[in-house]
Amino acid sequence: EIVLTQSPGTLSLSPGERATLSCRASQSVSSSYLAWYQQKPGQAPRLLIYGASSRATGIPDRFSGSGSGTDFTLTISRLEPEDFAVYYCQQYGSSSIFTFGPGTKVDIK
Amino acid sequence: EVQLVESGGGLVQPGGSLRLSCAASGFTFSSYWMSWVRQAPGKGLEWVANIKQDGSEKYYVDSVKGRFTISRDNAKNSLYLQMNSLRAEDTAVYYCAREVSWYMNYYYYYYMDVWGKGTTVTVSS
Repeated sequence: EIVLTQSPGTLSLSPGERATLSCRASQSVSSSYLAWYQQKPGQAPRLLIYGASSRATGIPDRFSGSGSGTDFTLTISRLEPEDFAVYYCQQYGSSSIFTFGPGTKVDIK
Repeated sequence: EVQLVESGGGLVQPGGSLRLSCAASGFTFSSYWMSWVRQAPGKGLEWVANIKQDGSEKYYVDSVKGRFTISRDNAKNSLYLQMNSLRAEDTAVYYCAREVSWYMNYYYYYYMDVWGKGTTVTVSS
């Protein structure tokens, strides 16, 4: 079973700054199986990135994803007030199951 | 509008049962795999179970195997989660989500693109 690790646990930044979030897999993951989600308090998760680097419909271009193998990155180029949230990476694994990373919280410095 | 609406959550005693429902609208429900994902209070997301379009394949996280059963009724555009032998650690918000899988340039892509708002399950005496 592939385990996803996200770092840092919390990222404290100011609006306008760049955010770089890491997702590391315990073994190699196909890039097409890697997605990122944003979740705000009291809300359902929202799909941001699929296939490691493709933005979902309606997602601003300040969000970008990259990586391959075991190391993946979500970058927010310039933080807007509405971007302060928790971000999860997710991978699709064998036997048609999904696993999520523990999340990275981006909060206001 | 594409929408998923969960219902059926509530307070239940340890060892009890509960059946969650998810009503789908705005898309061809029978064309998609569907999942249940849960989130314990203050914790991260945990995938729970999923089911193939025709219900012929079902998969579960180890912690719920033998206790939870996922099912669907395509005629009613509905997804279900029957939860038996509930434990305190099953306390969570339960979300249903639409899975997307597609093939392009020799690669399959998998992710969840539509989520409901969730229903809360509390297991406590």
